[in-house]
Amino acid sequence: AQSVAQPEDQVNVAEGNPLTVKCTYSVSGNPYLFWYVQYPNRGLQFLLKYITGDNLVKGSYGFEAEFNKSQTSFHLKKPSALVSDSALYFCAVRDRVTGFQKLVFGTGTRLLVSP
Amino acid sequence: EAGVTQFPSHSVIEKGQTVTLRCDPISGHDNLYWYRRVMGKEIKFLLHFVKESKQDESGMPNNRFLAERTGGTYSTLKVQPAELEDSGVYFCASSQEVVNTEAFFGQGTRLTVV
Repeated sequence: AQSVAQPEDQVNVAEGNPLTVKCTYSVSGNPYLFWYVQYPNRGLQFLLKYITGDNLVKGSYGFEAEFNKSQTSFHLKKPSALVSDSALYFCAVRDRVTGFQKLVFGTGTRLLVSP
Repeated sequence: EAGVTQFPSHSVIEKGQTVTLRCDPISGHDNLYWYRRVMGKEIKFLLHFVKESKQDESGMPNNRFLAERTGGTYSTLKVQPAELEDSGVYFCASSQEVVNTEAFFGQGTRLTVV
């Protein structure tokens, strides 16, 4: 069965510092991996995805994520955090082998960027 | 281009009542999904439509939940009768292709059953 773990309920970082939001996954085959963000009173917004190719993928708002197959991780990173990055971040996986198209999400990590 | 829209944004109902949530996907998107997030937990898949057909309904919690997608356009999710544990945020998403494209989500409907 597919699963996603986001080990941190909350990540606190000062503005201007680098940030990392962790995600590990478990699937039966090679995964499709996604990051979504939810700002207050808004829906889920797509940030970035890993499908194939370069392990480092770049997405919206200066975010990037690195696919690490050996560690089954897909951590979200940003070199310099902004206060406006404060939001709820969800990692998700889709299994490309079984044919099931649903996304399996983690529990979410709240990012709080302080001025 | 309009995004995925959901209605209502909030709903408060009493236990035993019926509620119907609506989702309008992005025009031209054949794939439509329903997900639910219960307080503090992960977002869980409910079901997947391809046009008007249910492709995967493995996440539907029980027979109090009924989803329809008339004519392959908008979709409704009805909960009848609602129970306290049905409270949460219900998200709808749509996508044009399935395999390697991302799904676009609506703003969600916050359902509170009291």
